[in-house]
Amino acid sequence: DAKTTQPPSMDCAEGRAANLPCNHSTISGNEYVYWYRQIHSQGPQYIIHGLKNNETNEMASLIITEDRKSSTLILPHATLRDTAVYYCIVRPHNDYKLSFGAGTTVTVRA
Amino acid sequence: EAGVAQSPRYKIIEKRQSVAFWCNPISGHATLYWYQQILGQGPKLLIQFQNNGVVDDSQLPKDRFSAERLKGVDSTLKIQPAKLEDSAVYLCASSAGTGANQPQHFGDGTRLSIL
Repeated sequence: DAKTTQPPSMDCAEGRAANLPCNHSTISGNEYVYWYRQIHSQGPQYIIHGLKNNETNEMASLIITEDRKSSTLILPHATLRDTAVYYCIVRPHNDYKLSFGAGTTVTVRA
Repeated sequence: EAGVAQSPRYKIIEKRQSVAFWCNPISGHATLYWYQQILGQGPKLLIQFQNNGVVDDSQLPKDRFSAERLKGVDSTLKIQPAKLEDSAVYLCASSAGTGANQPQHFGDGTRLSIL
């Protein structure tokens, strides 16, 4: 059962900010929003996660709307190495597994 | 900090043969997961360990798949006998705990091809 909706693909310009949207309109109050990415021939890489507040780390920023029904992952300065499939995952507080959808294929162009 | 280590990176076998994959999690991580990723799809959980005990193996095809985590550190996943539909990447992940606030960190997987 799909808990998140992401665009299938998007292009970004190298050096510009990349804004990746995710809809999770059925999210519950105790469910976390996680972002992973998977570069070709590698395992999924953890990027960031959050519950209610916006979060920032060395890789990206996560902006969660006040009603928590959608979020945006921001890569501040996209590089060619950021080309990957990006997965937005809603994870219940009592569910240990990650349920991956189809994700967004992001292509960063020079 | 060293990441999750997996070996081998690639394996090619014929159907009905057996194969084993090895995983060494991040040091100190009590929770270990095995996922299967079929080409073009997202990873799907096969089994989860907490230390050396199985927490969930409901998605593991137990007639042919087995996994163990002796001593609560390294883990092996075995397939015997392999079928064509087992062609996939087998990913190992670990986390410091089972809570939803604990990120899982993945290895680069073993790509299995069945001839």
